[in-house]
Amino acid sequence: DSGVTQTPKHLITATGQRVTLRCSPRSGDLSVYWYQQSLDQGLQFLIQYYNGEERAKGNILERFSAQQFPDLHSELNLSSLELGDSALYFCASSSQEQAYGYTFGSGTRLTVV
Amino acid sequence: AQTVTQSQPEMSVQEAETVTLSCTYDTSENNYYLFWYKQPPSRQMILVIRQEAYKQQNATENRFSVNFQKAAKSFSLKISDSQLGDTAMYFCAFMNRKSSGDKLTFGTGTRLAVRP
Repeated sequence: DSGVTQTPKHLITATGQRVTLRCSPRSGDLSVYWYQQSLDQGLQFLIQYYNGEERAKGNILERFSAQQFPDLHSELNLSSLELGDSALYFCASSSQEQAYGYTFGSGTRLTVV
Repeated sequence: AQTVTQSQPEMSVQEAETVTLSCTYDTSENNYYLFWYKQPPSRQMILVIRQEAYKQQNATENRFSVNFQKAAKSFSLKISDSQLGDTAMYFCAFMNRKSSGDKLTFGTGTRLAVRP
């Protein structure tokens, strides 16, 4: 157990639908990052939150949004889903001591049918 | 913007032998971190080794070591005494040093197969 909890582990939904992915960071970590990994590809940065505030945006579609709550858990909302949104979505967290890198959750496998 | 390049999409090594995975990066920053992550078939992202750019000494973690050449912007991973459990996708990653944290920029990965 890495300390970063992602739910659900698997999600199957139809095109056009909306889903919410949830992430609880490791205890004490203020930063949460969301990444998307499509089949056999690298990880693409979506968005970062730090202590409740958005800090950086990557290649995140307008149909996607995220937030970080006062208890530091984060949610990634994906709407108007398309077949191409099928991917593994990772959440990661980090402390202020970045030399240790991120701790990743086990990911949510999203399948859009 | 930072870029990370892994020029070897796939590699293979015999069990117990040594293999080196290549990584180059491009940045104008001076303070940063470099990482190697492993992604086995379970898809979990596992930190293998990390290097701070201001440290000249190459990092070592048991059978894993790096060759960090800052001037050449090169950061290769050497796996000694390869084991079957080392079979995985390996990602090189770069992170700027910022007080509020910064995103990891990943390379496209090298798929390593360890042959029995």
